[in-house]
Amino acid sequence: IAGITQAPTSQILAAGRRMTLRCTQDMRHNAMYWYRQDLGLGLRLIHYSNTAGTTGKGEVPDGYSVSRANTDDFPLTLASAVPSQTSVYFCASSDSLDTAGELFFGEGSRLTVL
Amino acid sequence: GQNIDQPTEMTATEGAIVQINCTYQTSGFNGLFWYQQHAGEAPTFLSYNVLDGLEEKGRFSSFLSRSKGYSYLLLKELQMKDSASYLCAVVTDSWGKLQFGAGTQVVVTP
Repeated sequence: IAGITQAPTSQILAAGRRMTLRCTQDMRHNAMYWYRQDLGLGLRLIHYSNTAGTTGKGEVPDGYSVSRANTDDFPLTLASAVPSQTSVYFCASSDSLDTAGELFFGEGSRLTVL
Repeated sequence: GQNIDQPTEMTATEGAIVQINCTYQTSGFNGLFWYQQHAGEAPTFLSYNVLDGLEEKGRFSSFLSRSKGYSYLLLKELQMKDSASYLCAVVTDSWGKLQFGAGTQVVVTP
């Protein structure tokens, strides 16, 4: 079982470029999330989706967009990357019908914007 | 606003016990998770508390007091592999959305 797969694992990007981070899960989880992790700030929620076809804004949504066309995929797009978006990005999923359902994380995508 | 506080770093000796405290003030509460994260890796689930009291799982225990907005993670018989960051996270809505603290880096020394 793969769980959650993120791609790319690492990317260096010029400022102003468009970038899509891919996330796919095979656990049939309803909910999916994108977090960014920065030193000293912990994991901060960017966008989330409780079910396919719906999305919502998290704590730090500006400069990012998401879509949830189906249950398995939840891509994160940076329309015009800026250096402050340099971070490690984690995709996660959970069974949102169970608030005790733990989050399962992908291995992360390390993004550097120059 | 939402606030989840935990110490930045703790150091302990192999074989010892360490207690990581977490205090929270959030708009909603539907449970509290602890995750472990080794450097360069994804967070992994350790424990979940929704009712007051102690949950024990092997060498790790987690405690919750909802009235005090307080939790702790207790790590016993520390091993070198326990050197990692420990993340406290509160479930803030009925859909399971998590708010994370900044994490506590535990360093285990020989």
